[in-house]
Amino acid sequence: EVQLVESGGGLVQPGGSLRLSCAASGFTFGSYWMSWVRQAPGKGLEWVANIKQDGSEKYYVDSVKGRLTISRDNAKNSLYLQMNSLRAEDTAVYYCARGSGWYPWDAFDIWGQGTMVTVSS
Amino acid sequence: QSALTQPPSASGSPGQSVTISCTGTSSDVGGYNYVSWYQQHPGKAPKLMIYEVSKRPSGVPDRFSASKSGNTASLTVSGLQAEDEADYYCSSYAGSNTRVFGTGTKVTVL
Repeated sequence: EVQLVESGGGLVQPGGSLRLSCAASGFTFGSYWMSWVRQAPGKGLEWVANIKQDGSEKYYVDSVKGRLTISRDNAKNSLYLQMNSLRAEDTAVYYCARGSGWYPWDAFDIWGQGTMVTVSS
Repeated sequence: QSALTQPPSASGSPGQSVTISCTGTSSDVGGYNYVSWYQQHPGKAPKLMIYEVSKRPSGVPDRFSASKSGNTASLTVSGLQAEDEADYYCSSYAGSNTRVFGTGTKVTVL
């Protein structure tokens, strides 16, 4: 079964750090662009970052540049999001999502169940 | 990187049709044929319903159709069913390997 499973969410104080993980199974992980997409409570979806198949290219939404870092380990079939200098506005459910094809513009066809990050003192 | 604009809500009776718009700019929706649509039920992950403007993934009913004209994309759900009640989000490639989502539309089946 093709699957993405996120973990690592939790409660963190403003200015703190957290590392999210996404474990992939059922497909050749290294053949796809991967993304993180977040959803603040009661709000819409927001694309956060993506990473190329070999990890050589990474792109971010402006609001997280310099604070959040996407990475991957194809040998472990895993995607990561290192979150530093966290702010209250980073509070959200974080989903990992697979691009459906070889290109960065391909639609997100597989989603994880999400992991909740709460930034609060 | 501004969100695409969708109406907050739309509704229709069972069997009727509802159309949702998604308005962007020439830098996203209007500039590329890479618009996709996602359905999200409460507490669940989004599900891909349409990709590349008007293509349906395997398993998505043909009641779901979509199109694009200029900077505006549209999703139409025909023959509304109770299970179609959900939030719907459009998304577009926005150039420079980035993506943008719409503000979301809550569809209610009356």
